[in-house]
Amino acid sequence: ETGVTQTPRHLVMGMTNKKSLKCEQHLGHNAMYWYKQSAKKPLELMFVYSLEERVENNSVPSRFSPECPNSSHLFLHLHTLQPEDSALYLCASSRGEYNEQFFGPGTRLTVL
Amino acid sequence: GQNIDQPTEMTATEGAIVQINCTYQTSGFNGLFWYQQHAGEAPTFLSYNVLDGLEEKGRFSSFLSRSKGYSYLLLKELQMKDSASYLCAVLDSNYQLIWGAGTKLIIKP
Repeated sequence: ETGVTQTPRHLVMGMTNKKSLKCEQHLGHNAMYWYKQSAKKPLELMFVYSLEERVENNSVPSRFSPECPNSSHLFLHLHTLQPEDSALYLCASSRGEYNEQFFGPGTRLTVL
Repeated sequence: GQNIDQPTEMTATEGAIVQINCTYQTSGFNGLFWYQQHAGEAPTFLSYNVLDGLEEKGRFSSFLSRSKGYSYLLLKELQMKDSASYLCAVLDSNYQLIWGAGTKLIIKP
C-alpha cells in the first residue's frame, strides 16, 4: 500500500473516445505529478501540480488535459488520442516538489 | 542537453553482490534518487544522495561522486525478489527531476 491509488488500472479506448484517469493520494502531500512510461524509455514528466497550482507542463499535446480540484485528487482527461499514446500512466505525489515521490500503481492505456 | 546513462540490463546470482552504475550530465545538481520498480508495479523510493559518499540502508547502499557525475547502487546478499528495474533520477538546478531509462536486474538461482 503506497498511499497513492489510481483508477482504472487498465483502459482500452478508441481514438475518438473521451476518458479520464483518476489519482488520489492519502499521504497529505502538496505536490502531484502525471508521468508517461513507455517500454525501455525514461519516465516522461507530463504535469506537475503544487498546492493545486500547475507549475510544469512539459509541452504535452492538448489531447491530454489535467485537472487538480484539491491537493488529494488529480485527473488526466483524454480525448482523440493516438495509438502512440499507448503506455503506462503513473501518478505520483510528494511532500514538496523536491522530495522523494510516491507512485501509484499506474493505468495501462491502450489506444486502438 | 541533459542525460542520464544506466546499463539496460544486468544479471547476477542469488546471494551475490551487484553494482548498478549511473552517470549523469545535467544543468546543475540538487540530488540523486534511486527507485526500484518491479514488473507491472509502481516505482518505489530507495535512496537519495546529495553529498559525496556512501549511504547504507540495510542490504542496499548508494554512492555519489558529484565531481565525476557518477552514482552507483550496491545490492548485497541478493535475493530473488530483487529482480526488478532500478531507476536513477537527478534533480537539476531548476529542481526538475531527470530520469534514466532504468536498469533491468535479473537474479538467477
